[in-house]
Amino acid sequence: AQTVTQSQPEMSVQEAETVTLSCTYDTSESDYYLFWYKQPPSRQMILVIRQEAYKQQNATENRFSVNFQKAAKSFSLKISDSQLGDAAMYFCAYRPPNTGNQFYFGTGTSLTVIP
Amino acid sequence: NAGVTQTPKFRILKIGQSMTLQCAQDMNHNYMYWYRQDPGMGLKLIYYSVGAGITDKGEVPNGYNVSRSTTEDFPLRLELAAPSQTSVYFCASSHLRGLAGGRDTQYFGPGTRLTVL
Repeated sequence: AQTVTQSQPEMSVQEAETVTLSCTYDTSESDYYLFWYKQPPSRQMILVIRQEAYKQQNATENRFSVNFQKAAKSFSLKISDSQLGDAAMYFCAYRPPNTGNQFYFGTGTSLTVIP
Repeated sequence: NAGVTQTPKFRILKIGQSMTLQCAQDMNHNYMYWYRQDPGMGLKLIYYSVGAGITDKGEVPNGYNVSRSTTEDFPLRLELAAPSQTSVYFCASSHLRGLAGGRDTQYFGPGTRLTVL
């Protein structure tokens, strides 16, 4: 069974500072996809960033970047220059190849941004 | 382009009642999904569909049914509601062979909060 682990139920960061959210996953596949989703209080799931396992370069989207360590099966999210609007639940997700596009989600990390 | 829409936003059911959660997408996506999110947990896949007329079970299908008669719509049916089905339900869609930016990415609806008493 595929598992995605987020070991930090809650994190906090000062506004304008940097925070890193951790995610590990278990797989025997070599080609797969990883995602970070943000869920604000409105409960809408919003894609933050995605990473394809065959790409060695870490994905970056503006203030959001990942540290993808394939051998360690680690996929952390770094948020730079944190803003109040970044406060939300963050979910890490794994998609294996050739399984009907099924996603597996972690239990989430609640991020608080302190003004 | 409305993306993924869900109705209703909130619903309270009595034990044993039935209801259908509606989901529609206007992005011409092949894949559609239903997830449930219990308090403090991630999302669990209930059912998914790879195209009109094709559905398959996810991790937690018991107590639910789906149909996919069109590309756009993917309703989720609860036949005999139970308190264990109290949850927030999310519909999502994706286009497996879409543009690079959208490929393999799931787009979510706003969710339906269901309470069974």
